[in-house]
Amino acid sequence: QVQLVQSGAEVKKPGASVKVSCKASGYTFISYYMHWVRQAPGQGLEWMGIINPSSGSTTYAQRFQGRVTVTRDTSTSTVYMELSSLRSEDTAVYFCARLRGYCSGGYCENYYFDYWGQGTLVTVSP
Amino acid sequence: QSALTQPPSASGSPGQSVTISCTGTSSDVGGYNYVSWYQQHPGKAPKVMIYEVSKRPSGVPDRFSGSKSGNTASLTVSGLQADDEADYYCSSYAGSDNLVFGGGTKLTVL
Repeated sequence: QVQLVQSGAEVKKPGASVKVSCKASGYTFISYYMHWVRQAPGQGLEWMGIINPSSGSTTYAQRFQGRVTVTRDTSTSTVYMELSSLRSEDTAVYFCARLRGYCSGGYCENYYFDYWGQGTLVTVSP
Repeated sequence: QSALTQPPSASGSPGQSVTISCTGTSSDVGGYNYVSWYQQHPGKAPKVMIYEVSKRPSGVPDRFSGSKSGNTASLTVSGLQADDEADYYCSSYAGSDNLVFGGGTKLTVL
């Protein structure tokens, strides 16, 4: 069965960086794009970025450009999200989410998240 | 990329229907038929209820339906049940691999 298992909770100081992992199992890792989504306490979902596990190519939301880096390790079927220059507003639960289908040239099929990680709470506090 | 606009709250009595709107722009909702709706119960990961505007994944009851007109998508929940009480988020493809979510709507079953 498909599983996305994320790393544990983190507490960081302002200005530090955090790296969250998302280990995939139960399917062919390189065949599905992976997204990162975060949710601040009591707030809504916010899209952060996407990685193509096959090629390693990434796209990031404009507001995180320069601060977020998503990578993957195909040998361990793991995707990583690193967020730098942390501030208190980055306190949130961070989710990885598998895209069921794909998009190419503006055409998409099965464009939705079918599996999510359990979430990783990142707390930024002095 | 600005968040899609959803009403913060919606409510209905058991058995009734409720519709939640999701307004974007021609660069997201209006430009693509790739709107999804997610249900999120407290402390849980979101679950897809509708994708590509009006398609239901297997296992999602047909009480959930979606539509779109121009830059506004809608989710309708018919025959409200207690377990439908949750937060609902819309999302839309926004071109060049970008995605945008709505601010979320808290659905209360009275």
